[in-house]
Amino acid sequence: DAGVIQSPRHEVTEMGQEVTLRCKPISGHDYLFWYRQTMMRGLELLIYFNNNVPIDDSGMPEDRFSAKMPNASFSTLKIQPSEPRDSAVYFCASSFQGARNQPQHFGDGTRLSIL
Amino acid sequence: AQSVTQPDIHITVSEGASLELRCNYSYGATPYLFWYVQSPGQGLQLLLKYFSGDTLVQGIKGFEAEFKRSQSSFNLRKPSVHWSDAAEYFCAVGAETGANNLFFGTGTRLTVIP
Repeated sequence: DAGVIQSPRHEVTEMGQEVTLRCKPISGHDYLFWYRQTMMRGLELLIYFNNNVPIDDSGMPEDRFSAKMPNASFSTLKIQPSEPRDSAVYFCASSFQGARNQPQHFGDGTRLSIL
Repeated sequence: AQSVTQPDIHITVSEGASLELRCNYSYGATPYLFWYVQSPGQGLQLLLKYFSGDTLVQGIKGFEAEFKRSQSSFNLRKPSVHWSDAAEYFCAVGAETGANNLFFGTGTRLTVIP
């Protein structure tokens, strides 16, 4: 059974470029979460979806960040334009019936470096 | 508002020794509590969870945690640590509003020495 799949695993790009991170949740899961992990701030929830609809995006740091979930099997997190302070590991996670009731299944993350 | 505090940033134990990782939470009602583990280069994996009932919960990999309402704690324990337990451990609490997201602590990094 495939887990949560994230791509790319690593991304290095220059400041000002557009970055798109991708996530394929586990089939049948109705919740999808995007997190950012840094040494300074730990693990932060950016946004989460239920049945492809954004429920809470209060963690999205700025308008430069946007996330979409066009269907149940795919989500993107986009940063435009990117800045060096966006460098972090970005995780996607999915769950069935929400994180309070069921475990979140995490992908292996995308390590993003903005030069 | 809900929050989680993990007071120990880094803990080192010898292989075979017992382990206790501390977690304190702030929550208005009965909390939903979780422990997750993160191995290097990987995402987080659920170790165990507490919703209600028995305050001592068993998880995977031989871990257990005890919910103590009077101390607002949910400490993770293992009687005998293995070298493969070296990882980062995160305590998390469910959102008070009933929303289906979690709030994570800052993590405790565990080093196991032979």
